[in-house]
Amino acid sequence: ELKVEQNPLFLSMQEGKNYTIYCNYSTTSDRLYWYRQDPGKSLESLFVLLSNGAVKQEGRLMASLDTKARLSTLHITAAVHDLSATYFCAVDGGADSNYQLIWGAGTKLIIKP
Amino acid sequence: GAVVSQHPSWVICKSGTSVKIECRSLDFQATTMFWYRQFPKQSLMLMATSNEGSKATYEQGVEKDKFLINHASLTLSTLTVTSAHPEDSSFYICSAREGGVNTGELFFGEGSRLTVL
Repeated sequence: ELKVEQNPLFLSMQEGKNYTIYCNYSTTSDRLYWYRQDPGKSLESLFVLLSNGAVKQEGRLMASLDTKARLSTLHITAAVHDLSATYFCAVDGGADSNYQLIWGAGTKLIIKP
Repeated sequence: GAVVSQHPSWVICKSGTSVKIECRSLDFQATTMFWYRQFPKQSLMLMATSNEGSKATYEQGVEKDKFLINHASLTLSTLTVTSAHPEDSSFYICSAREGGVNTGELFFGEGSRLTVL
């Protein structure tokens, strides 16, 4: 059974700082997603990572995937208040799970001015 | 990117009534749509997989008679919460996969917040 663990679950940090959110998963998968959710809103797609070594960057966010370690990271550089949100990683469960997404618990990120 | 629209975005109803939530893929055809439920400060919980032209596949513990799913066309799936009770209050989110079942990207609707009084 595929399990996805995110770490940390909650993070409060000051603007200008860097930090990394980790997403570990338990079995092989071809696809990993990162989403952002603002309070009371639905999910916004950030990154789709499809292969080992994939690295994608958008603004102050950079995501990477190591399929051998079954680990993805979401790195925040020089954080700004607007990045405050809950971030979810999700892993494609493959054929065995009808290609459902298996979700991490989410990381609530608060960035203080 | 592709657009998935949910309606209504917020609904308040009395206990015992039924509520229908629509999920539409606006610029692509979706043979498969997913319905999620999210409790406050928690992750998404998959309720069911909706397949166009066939019965939905429900996750363990989800009452199919309680949460009726209809996927009548390639662009519309509906979730009906029947005889709603306060414990059904939640944030319901649909998603649709553009492209192949194992290759397409997943897009999410805006979510529907249900409050049952």
